[in-house]
Amino acid sequence: DGGITQSPKYLFRKEGQNVTLSCEQNLNHDAMYWYRQDPGQGLRLIYYSQIVNDFQKGDIAEGYSVSREKKESFPLTVTSAQKNPTAFYLCASRLDRGNSPLHFGNGTRLTVT
Amino acid sequence: AQSVAQPEDQVNVAEGNPLTVKCTYSVSGNPYLFWYVQYPNRGLQFLLKYITGDNLVKGSYGFEAEFNKSQTSFHLKKPSALVSDSALYFCAVRASGGSYIPTFGRGTSLIVHP
Repeated sequence: DGGITQSPKYLFRKEGQNVTLSCEQNLNHDAMYWYRQDPGQGLRLIYYSQIVNDFQKGDIAEGYSVSREKKESFPLTVTSAQKNPTAFYLCASRLDRGNSPLHFGNGTRLTVT
Repeated sequence: AQSVAQPEDQVNVAEGNPLTVKCTYSVSGNPYLFWYVQYPNRGLQFLLKYITGDNLVKGSYGFEAEFNKSQTSFHLKKPSALVSDSALYFCAVRASGGSYIPTFGRGTSLIVHP
């Protein structure tokens, strides 16, 4: 079955540590996205990538970094510079064709204490 | 700039009754409109989209949405609600000629009571 896999489902870290969230897709989609979801705030775009080795900042990129070395993979690193990292993180991909919808993974819930 | 408003944080409906989840949008040019559903601790699932053509769009699980250009709305509807429809619903918009980044609303929690 094609889909997007995010791992781990739950992640706990101490303040001051960097942490990397995994996102892998086997849908052969060109574009991939990272969103942050907080209660009552909807989805906010962190980074997106439309092709391998290229990515752009979204609305809330500060304190985050990404890489896109392979078409299938788009890992997100939450750095110690992110002031409020506890959140639900969603990865998505999209076939790069005009009106195609986003396909989402099941998310990673990050808790930083 | 593009934006989406979902004016209701929560919608309550009895099982078997019709449901409506509201969405209004603002975009330059023609809109592409989407509805997604999210169950607890899961990702979003695509329900339906409006691109062009018939203003009434049918989607998954018996849902439909009506595009109204004059009111810049794209309300989600279902004739008969099920308890299993209880979830968080997101409306999203992007301009047809713009970037491929949709803007999401804040979400509406739908609660269907038995």
